[in-house]
Amino acid sequence: NAGVMQNPRHLVRRRGQEARLRCSPMKGHSHVYWYRQLPEEGLKFMVYLQKENIIDESGMPKERFSAEFPKEGPSILRIQQVVRGDSAAYFCASSPTLAGGYEQYFGPGTRLTVT
Amino acid sequence: AQTVTQSQPEMSVQEAETVTLSCTYDTSENNYYLFWYKQPPSRQMILVIRQEAYKQQNATENRFSVNFQKAAKSFSLKISDSQLGDTAMYFCAFNTGNQFYFGTGTSLTVIP
Repeated sequence: NAGVMQNPRHLVRRRGQEARLRCSPMKGHSHVYWYRQLPEEGLKFMVYLQKENIIDESGMPKERFSAEFPKEGPSILRIQQVVRGDSAAYFCASSPTLAGGYEQYFGPGTRLTVT
Repeated sequence: AQTVTQSQPEMSVQEAETVTLSCTYDTSENNYYLFWYKQPPSRQMILVIRQEAYKQQNATENRFSVNFQKAAKSFSLKISDSQLGDTAMYFCAFNTGNQFYFGTGTSLTVIP
């Protein structure tokens, strides 16, 4: 059973470009979470999605950031018009049907560098 | 507000010794789950141990154990017989349903 997959592992974008980060959850997992980790900091929750639904996006910046988890295919975190402050590691995690007591399984992360 | 506090940014321990990482949290929920995750230099997040808040018995996983004090909202991690491979960032977290809340982490170095 493959783990959570994220690609690309490293992404370099110039200011003003768009960044697309992909996450494929573990097989059988229908809950996906995105986190951002700035250097020397912990994980900050961004958004929680189920298939075709955004359940909680309270951690997402109001502008330039969006996320989706379509019926088919991976979950996408999209950052438009990137700025240097968006440079961070972005982690995706997935969990089984009920998010309550289940652990989250993390992907290896995507390191975004904005130049 | 739901918060997690790890007051020890950095710690070190001699190989084979025991170390305890502290964590306190704040929530108004009664049912929740607590976790310790490890992030080695590879940056892959790995679950170390999990505790259900409704269980009084402290969770144990091989060399890792917790001291869960629900009334004090404290959830410390004890690592016994520390090994070089334990060198990593350790994050305390809890989950109340939709969200996981993470602390800022403790960087642990095991010294040979």
